[in-house]
Amino acid sequence: DIVMTQSPDSLAVSLGERATINCKSSQSVLYSSNNKNYLAWYQQKPGQPPKLLIYWASTRESGVPDRFSGSGSGTDFTLTISSLQAEDVAVYYCQQYYSTPPITFGPGTKVDIK
Amino acid sequence: EVQLLESGGGLVQPGGSLRLSCAASGFTFSSYAMSWVRQAPGKGLEWVSAISGSGGSTYYADSVKGRFTISRDNSKNTLYLQMNSLRAEDTAVYYCAKAHTRYSSSWYILGYWGQGTLVTVSS
Repeated sequence: DIVMTQSPDSLAVSLGERATINCKSSQSVLYSSNNKNYLAWYQQKPGQPPKLLIYWASTRESGVPDRFSGSGSGTDFTLTISSLQAEDVAVYYCQQYYSTPPITFGPGTKVDIK
Repeated sequence: EVQLLESGGGLVQPGGSLRLSCAASGFTFSSYAMSWVRQAPGKGLEWVSAISGSGGSTYYADSVKGRFTISRDNSKNTLYLQMNSLRAEDTAVYYCAKAHTRYSSSWYILGYWGQGTLVTVSS
């Protein structure tokens, strides 16, 4: 199974500042035949189910604010919140869907306001 | 509007059984693969099982293989998870989730999640 790791475990960022979350997979999730990275990001606010933010490593889901962006390829990925808003306080998870089943999630990164 | 409503959770003794349901609306249910994902209290996300739109293909995490059975009734727009031989470590909120698109390459992009139902396994 592909193991996903995330760093940091948690971070606190001032309102309006940038938040950066890293995700690493134990093997490449880049499918060479279509040049797509099988990597998604989810946001989970307290008491709510997860919500899809990003898929194919960098494609923003419809309705997701453009302050959220995904980047990276192969084994190393980043979720960036360009200007943190109060409503962005949540736990963020990366997930690979390259080698399935099973799909595997990272352990999560908690984002708070400083 | 897509809606997924889980039900069937509750308190069950170790070794017991429970059947979860997920009622779907707002989309052509039979066209989409569906998954169950669980989250133990205060912990991260763990994928449990998935099923194709037709129901002809099913997949399981090793942790539940042989104990859990996923199924669907497309005439009722409902997804199920039959859970047998339950253990304390199965205690979690169980979410049903809809594939992002109809294409097999995105079966495991979980585009929409229900609110979840809590399963507690304890004596």
